[in-house]
Amino acid sequence: GAGVSQSPSNKVTEKGKDVELRCDPISGHTALYWYRQSLGQGLEFLIYFQGNSAPDKSGLPSDRFSAERTGGSVSTLTIQRTQQEDSAVYLCASSLRLLPSTDTQYFGPGTRLTVL
Amino acid sequence: DAKTTQPPSMDCAEGRAANLPCNHSTISGNEYVYWYRQIHSQGPQYIIHGLKNNETNEMASLIITEDRKSSTLILPHATLRDTAVYYCIVPPVSNSGYALNFGKGTSLLVTP
Repeated sequence: GAGVSQSPSNKVTEKGKDVELRCDPISGHTALYWYRQSLGQGLEFLIYFQGNSAPDKSGLPSDRFSAERTGGSVSTLTIQRTQQEDSAVYLCASSLRLLPSTDTQYFGPGTRLTVL
Repeated sequence: DAKTTQPPSMDCAEGRAANLPCNHSTISGNEYVYWYRQIHSQGPQYIIHGLKNNETNEMASLIITEDRKSSTLILPHATLRDTAVYYCIVPPVSNSGYALNFGKGTSLLVTP
């Protein structure tokens, strides 16, 4: 079946511009996660959605970052006034959240953001 | 999160079994062990998970010790495409979502 999809796959932007990254989770998955991975680094958690609400925004690095999810499905991550340190691969994952003890997250291919 | 410890790197000859160990001595009774991998330039890929019984799927087998303090991921016939960083993760049991802590993982190199 269809997995998690993300668009665009690559985005090059100039410092100071705003960007929007999109995530389409697996159909029926109620939980959605955003992570980012800088070059050669581990995954950094950004934000988690359960349905349309975001109970955990603790990982957003600054107020330039925001995310929303509508209809319990598609999510967009917006970065305003991009900086060079925002350059990274932005990964989205989704899960069913059937039980607290098992919550397998399935990842998309990521969006590679380059800020010049 | 229960802390996990993995060797930083391992080599395996193509066609041989790759056995990747993980220590998780502080695991709680209802916490699962998850394995993911990340092939270069790709998103993380779920492999397998288990609680106390050994598990097998089309990708791998997971052997968990009786005391649950360690586990081994087995790729029975490694191929060059299995070269990746493998992560052993023990997520907390939570009524809300949680961020997966990938740590540094084990870099597996499968050689011809």
